[in-house]
Amino acid sequence: DSGVTQTPKHLITATGQRVTLRCSPRSGDLSVYWYQQSLDQGLQFLIHYYNGEERAKGNILERFSAQQFPDLHSELNLSSLELGDSALYFCASSPSGGRVSGGYTFGSGTRLTVV
Amino acid sequence: AQKITQTQPGMFVQEKEAVTLDCTYDTSDPSYGLFWYKQPSSGEMIFLIYQGSYDQQNATEGRYSLNFQKARKSANLVISASQLGDSAMYFCAMRDNNNDMRFGAGTRLTVKP
Repeated sequence: DSGVTQTPKHLITATGQRVTLRCSPRSGDLSVYWYQQSLDQGLQFLIHYYNGEERAKGNILERFSAQQFPDLHSELNLSSLELGDSALYFCASSPSGGRVSGGYTFGSGTRLTVV
Repeated sequence: AQKITQTQPGMFVQEKEAVTLDCTYDTSDPSYGLFWYKQPSSGEMIFLIYQGSYDQQNATEGRYSLNFQKARKSANLVISASQLGDSAMYFCAMRDNNNDMRFGAGTRLTVKP
């Protein structure tokens, strides 16, 4: 157990629907990062939150949004889902937002299947 | 712009032999960190090893070592004495002062008995 909790582990939904993925960071970590991994591909950075505030955005679609709550858990909202959104979505956390030496601790991921 | 390149989509190695997985990177920031992660078939991302841009020595963690050649901007992962459990996807990643952690496309390693 890495200490980063992602729920649900699996999600199957239809095109056009909206889903919410949840992440609880490791205790004491202030930063949360979201990544998307499509089949047999690398991880694409979506967004970074630090202590409740958006810190950086990557290749995140306008149909996707995220937030980090006062208790530091984060949610990734995916709307108007398309078949191509099927992927493994990872959440990761780190103690701070800026140190280049800081590695990330990853959750086990949420596998989203859009049918 | 930050870029990480892994040119080997797949690699095979005989059990108990050593293998090198290649990674090159590009950044204009003098301060950066390089990471390797392992992703087994179960899907989780497992941190293996870290190298800082100012570190004088190559990082080592058990059977893993990082061959850091700063002038060539390469950070190859060396796995010694391969085991069947080493079969997995391996990702090279980097973060610098301007970017959060970005990943290469990965290399699928298969260890043959």
